[in-house]
Amino acid sequence: GESVGLHLPTLSVQEGDNSIINCAYSNSASDYFIWYKQESGKGPQFIIDIRSNMDKRQGQRVTVLLNKTVKHLSLQIAATQPGDSAVYFCAENELTGGGNKLTFGTGTQLKVEL
Amino acid sequence: DTGVSQNPRHKITKRGQNVTFRCDPISEHNRLYWYRQTLGQGPEFLTYFQNEAQLEKSRLLSDRFSAERPKGSFSTLEIQRTEQGDSAMYLCASSVKGGADTEAFFGQGTRLTVV
Repeated sequence: GESVGLHLPTLSVQEGDNSIINCAYSNSASDYFIWYKQESGKGPQFIIDIRSNMDKRQGQRVTVLLNKTVKHLSLQIAATQPGDSAVYFCAENELTGGGNKLTFGTGTQLKVEL
Repeated sequence: DTGVSQNPRHKITKRGQNVTFRCDPISEHNRLYWYRQTLGQGPEFLTYFQNEAQLEKSRLLSDRFSAERPKGSFSTLEIQRTEQGDSAMYLCASSVKGGADTEAFFGQGTRLTVV
């Protein structure tokens, strides 16, 4: 029912540990994927992106892995910090119209414990 | 502040009233998007503009909703005869035309509560 959407999957990690957040996507035609971080009361903030012709991309403390065979995306955060606590969304870009019409997955709440 | 700006940040309105939100994209971003986000869910695409042309509208955008971008800069989203189900965060994003893989920057959103 409607209440299911209120209970986000939650990942709790200790400060300093690595975090891995997973996402499954459904559209085989998607060729661009993005991870966003959203803090309470704020808009989504871009973290890292990856094109479908890549399987790994690294940023500062973050790595995105893409497995097109099983339509799976993951975000790895190294040395997780309290400031990383937020909801994380993966998004895929649909190709129709050529614009950034993003389809967002179910978010994951990351809680960093001190 | 050179980010995407949305006004107002919060809006409380009575059912049946009309509301209008404004979005100012990042300067020189020619693509502008509207999304809706309800509690516990990811944002859902509503519509997008390239310059002043509205190129796509979601089925979520009922005929009570209208969006404009008259001069290809700021955009407005109007909801007529608001219903309680319209209560949500309305997010605006902008990007530069450059293929499918250009980053979209989001504003802070307008939170609408219909009572």
